[in-house]
Amino acid sequence: GAGVSQSPSNKVTEKGKDVELRCDPISGHTALYWYRQRLGQGLEFLIYFQGNSAPDKSGLPSDRFSAERTGESVSTLTIQRTQQEDSAVYLCASSLGLAGRYEQYFGPGTRLTVT
Amino acid sequence: EDKVVQSPLSLVVHEGDTVTLNCSYEVTNFRSLLWYKQEKKAPTFLFMLTSSGIEKKSGRLSSILDKKELSSILNITATQTGDSAIYLCAVNSNTGKLIFGQGTTLQVKP
Repeated sequence: GAGVSQSPSNKVTEKGKDVELRCDPISGHTALYWYRQRLGQGLEFLIYFQGNSAPDKSGLPSDRFSAERTGESVSTLTIQRTQQEDSAVYLCASSLGLAGRYEQYFGPGTRLTVT
Repeated sequence: EDKVVQSPLSLVVHEGDTVTLNCSYEVTNFRSLLWYKQEKKAPTFLFMLTSSGIEKKSGRLSSILDKKELSSILNITATQTGDSAIYLCAVNSNTGKLIFGQGTTLQVKP
């Protein structure tokens, strides 16, 4: 694929359910980032993966949030026991290396609505 | 705590006007500052700035970094309705993660 893809594009779930969001980065990009964007807000860093290094999880808001990445490919962000405040657009981005040295390419995002 | 602040938060102008968007930051071990344009969901990259005083230009858009003042500006000349978007500023320290500002929403009226 030419760019970063994310699925699903929209997800509506009931409070208390678990959700899994998927990100397919650009092939060859070693760095992968997850961000959250609440309505009218900037992007909030959640987690990033860089090659085989341990991920930086410092932005995850609670232990209900977790993410995995298989090698240098697909990543999944899992939110357990969803709450209404989890409603947001979740954006994934990938880059050739660490952001700030290399341009980040963003996916179209997943809009999560928790009812 | 690292932080990035953008101003104004929103701006309404008419086609042909020139606008200046501001970004100020407090970051430990600054590495670079980036500007993005966000029209629907995915932000698109505009500029990466690492050196003070060197203007980067792309068409009607330009940006410059002032490390002494810990700030950057993004200029858009001869604005068009297609420039309507949220403009995001982000700063990178040597940790690898980007700290984003809250964004400036620009509306360009015909």
